[in-house]
Amino acid sequence: GQSLEQPSEVTAVEGAIVQINCTYQTSGFYGLSWYQQHDGGAPTFLSYNALDGLEETGRFSSFLSRSDSYGYLLLQELQMKDSASYFCAVRDQSNTGKLIFGQGTTLQVKP
Amino acid sequence: EAQVTQNPRYLITVTGKKLTVTCSQNMNHEYMSWYRQDPGLGLRQIYYSMNVEVTDKGDVPEGYKVSRKEKRNFPLILESPSPNQTSLYFCASTTGLAGNEQFFGPGTRLTVL
Repeated sequence: GQSLEQPSEVTAVEGAIVQINCTYQTSGFYGLSWYQQHDGGAPTFLSYNALDGLEETGRFSSFLSRSDSYGYLLLQELQMKDSASYFCAVRDQSNTGKLIFGQGTTLQVKP
Repeated sequence: EAQVTQNPRYLITVTGKKLTVTCSQNMNHEYMSWYRQDPGLGLRQIYYSMNVEVTDKGDVPEGYKVSRKEKRNFPLILESPSPNQTSLYFCASTTGLAGNEQFFGPGTRLTVL
């Protein structure tokens, strides 16, 4: 079957660096996305990796290794406002409209 | 302002009473999709549409219908709602492919009694 695995919870302190991992098992692969969702809010797009390597956007970076079916989101200089849920999502190549989300990682940033 | 809107934002209904949740986007996006979010299960795709008159099933389509008669609108229809459809629903849109940046609506919290 198709699945994505992420840790359910991560805790870190303000100013620290945290990495949220995502491993996937899908029938096809056409890119890994990351979304952030604050409690009660809509998911917002953070990044998209179609090729191997690191993509950097400000304090957030995302990495992909297609050979390992693995990616991660790296958050640097953590701020309290980064406390949220983070979802990885994979576009299934076999069906270009289908997007499969992981169950999400709840990040708690402590002072 | 570029946005995806959903209505209603909150709805409490009873089993079997047909309902429609509307979704509209003003960004001229080809791709639109519906998701439901349940605790511990993340976002699960219900239906998606690659363009007008083109719709297809996601992972959890049972009990739902959609239509795409116009590019901007993608309503979600529950012909006979049941309590297991109590959930938080999100509509999203993007230009081009599903993996690209998706813009999500604010969500509709549905309770079926």
